[in-house]
Amino acid sequence: EEQLVESGGGLVQPGGSLRLSCAGSGFTLSDHYMDWVRLAPGRGLEWVARSRSKSYSYTTEYAASVKGRFTISRDESKTSVYLQMNSLKTEDTAVYYCVRLGPSGNYENWGQGTLVTVSS
Amino acid sequence: DIQMTQSPSSLSASVGDRVTITCRASEGIHNDVAWFQQKPGKAPKSLIYDVSSMQSGVPPRFSGSGSGTDFTLTITSLQPEDFATYYCQQYQSYPVTFGPGTKVDIQ
Repeated sequence: EEQLVESGGGLVQPGGSLRLSCAGSGFTLSDHYMDWVRLAPGRGLEWVARSRSKSYSYTTEYAASVKGRFTISRDESKTSVYLQMNSLKTEDTAVYYCVRLGPSGNYENWGQGTLVTVSS
Repeated sequence: DIQMTQSPSSLSASVGDRVTITCRASEGIHNDVAWFQQKPGKAPKSLIYDVSSMQSGVPPRFSGSGSGTDFTLTITSLQPEDFATYYCQQYQSYPVTFGPGTKVDIQ
């Protein structure tokens, strides 16, 4: 079964850091583009970051709201994708989802999400 | 950035009703529009991609259509498990953007 499992969420103070992990199984992670998407309370879905596939050298894209603060990366040997989040703000509070993209750029498979709460 | 708007923002419907949700893009989109269903506490579920292609396992009562700037999600006969929030998305250009959502609840 193809599966994505996120971990690493929690409570952090403003200005702090957190690293989210997304473990993929049942498919070859390096063949796929991978996104992080978040759902903030009362705010709807927001795309956060993208890591292209190995064929595209794992190049990355970021939403303007997180650029310079968040970094998406991969560990090929562990078949995982990560989101390093620094200088966190209260408005980063959300459930963060890891998503696998299909050949058309469409979202094929979602993880169950991990909650990040930024609060003092 | 391509802005996506949805209408209505919410609707009340009964089991068996035909429901139509509209998504409008701020500029023309060739083919890269998707629809998602989300229930409270659950991950979003992909329904439709490339405007009208159905994700594997999605019931045929869901369909997508449209072109240019106007796109539609139709549920032909609403079922109890369909009460949820629905989002459209464009993935033609960066940043990927979503509509604000349409909440479908029980009348």
